[in-house]
Amino acid sequence: KAGVTQTPRYLIKTRGQQVTLSCSPISGHRSVSWYQQTPGQGLQFLFEYFSETQRNKGNFPGRFSGRQFSNSRSEMNVSTLELGDSALYLCASREWATQYFGPGTRLLVL
Amino acid sequence: DQQVKQNSPSLSVQEGRISILNCDYTNSMFDYFLWYKKYPAEGPTFLISISSIKDKNEDGRFTVFLNKSAKHLSLHIVPSQPGDSAVYFCAASMDAGNMLTFGGGTRLMVKP
Repeated sequence: KAGVTQTPRYLIKTRGQQVTLSCSPISGHRSVSWYQQTPGQGLQFLFEYFSETQRNKGNFPGRFSGRQFSNSRSEMNVSTLELGDSALYLCASREWATQYFGPGTRLLVL
Repeated sequence: DQQVKQNSPSLSVQEGRISILNCDYTNSMFDYFLWYKKYPAEGPTFLISISSIKDKNEDGRFTVFLNKSAKHLSLHIVPSQPGDSAVYFCAASMDAGNMLTFGGGTRLMVKP
C-alpha cells in the first residue's frame, strides 16, 4: 500500500496570508490527524477527523482549521499567518491504535 | 504540563551494543504507547507499540517494556546499527490511538 502523502512538501508564505495543506491517507484508513512540529514546542496534536467529522482538537487558536472529504482525504487551513506558524506540519492516518505519518509539509512564514 | 517526558536529549552507543531509550509519563489514563523514529524534515516512522495490558512487546531488534506502576517505558535496540542513528520519540494515547501526546525526543547516535 502507498503511504500517507502530503502536498506541498515546502511552502513559503508571508505574514497575514492563509495557507491550505493537503493529506491523502493510506488506502482504507478513515481517520486522519494533523500535528505541528516546532523546535520550541515539539510535536503537538492539532486535530483529528474521522468520517468527515472532527473528533478531537488540540490547544490551537481558531486560525487553524481542517476538514475531511468523503474519500478520507483531508486539508488543514491556517488563516492570518504569523511568524510562529513556521513549522513542519504532519498528517497521520490511523489503523486501529497506530498512526502512520506522512513526510510533512515544511511551512516558512516570512 | 508535559505529560510525556524523555529526559535524555541524546544518547551515544557503540555499534553492536544495546541502546536503551527511556520515557516517563504522568497521565494514568494513557492506555497505548508507541515509539517512532524520525529523521530531520521527514515524518516519524512507526517502530513498535505496546498496550497498557502488556508489559513487554518485541519486534525483531526492538523491544518495548512498560512499567505501569512507575509510569515508565523503555525501548531496547539490540544490536544497535549505525542506520539506527536518528531522533526517537515516544508517544502515548488514551482510547487506544486517538490524539498522540509526544515526548521531546532522544537523539541516538550509533558509532561504527
